[in-house]
Amino acid sequence: EAGVTQFPSHSVIEKGQTVTLRCDPISGHDNLYWYRRVMGKEIKFLLHFVKESKQDESGMPNNRFLAERTGGTYSTLKVQPAELEDSGVYFCASSQAGQLGDSPLHFGNGTRLTVT
Amino acid sequence: RKEVEQDPGPFNVPEGATVAFNCTYSNSASQSFFWYRQDCRKEPKLLMSVYSSGNEDGRFTAQLNRASQYISLLIRDSKLSDSATYLCVVIRQGAQKLVFGQGTRLTINP
Repeated sequence: EAGVTQFPSHSVIEKGQTVTLRCDPISGHDNLYWYRRVMGKEIKFLLHFVKESKQDESGMPNNRFLAERTGGTYSTLKVQPAELEDSGVYFCASSQAGQLGDSPLHFGNGTRLTVT
Repeated sequence: RKEVEQDPGPFNVPEGATVAFNCTYSNSASQSFFWYRQDCRKEPKLLMSVYSSGNEDGRFTAQLNRASQYISLLIRDSKLSDSATYLCVVIRQGAQKLVFGQGTRLTINP
């Protein structure tokens, strides 16, 4: 079984530019999550999709961040315009349908974003 | 105050030693508890779930104390391959998101 894949693995952009991160969950997983770890801080929740619907986007930092999951398959997270404080590692995770904790959450390798 | 607090370490222990990590959580509505392991520049991976009755998986033992809102992880006979960051994670009742501690960094020395 292929795991959660994220692209790109690294991205270096200048402040003010736009970056789009992509996540391909495990096939058949309805739940898709985005998390972020900024330097020196804990991993924090950004948002949760069930299929194509946003269930909880309470962790999104501000309106410069836009996540989509058209068709309920892969998801994208766009940052526009990027700011220095957006630097960090962005993780995607997926799990089967149902309550979190009842089925394992599988994380991708993450995208390391550096904004200069 | 962070919702999940961990001693960031680093912990440096010799191979074969026993090491224990602690974690406290502030939200009494937390209902599920886990230890994750994260290797350098890798993704977090589930190590084990934590129950009030305690649970053991080989050299690893996890324990939950709901009254004190305290979670522990014990590693016996530590191996070089146990070197990693150990993340304490909780899920609040009714929520569909993990709340992470900052992690405790462990290095096992030969």
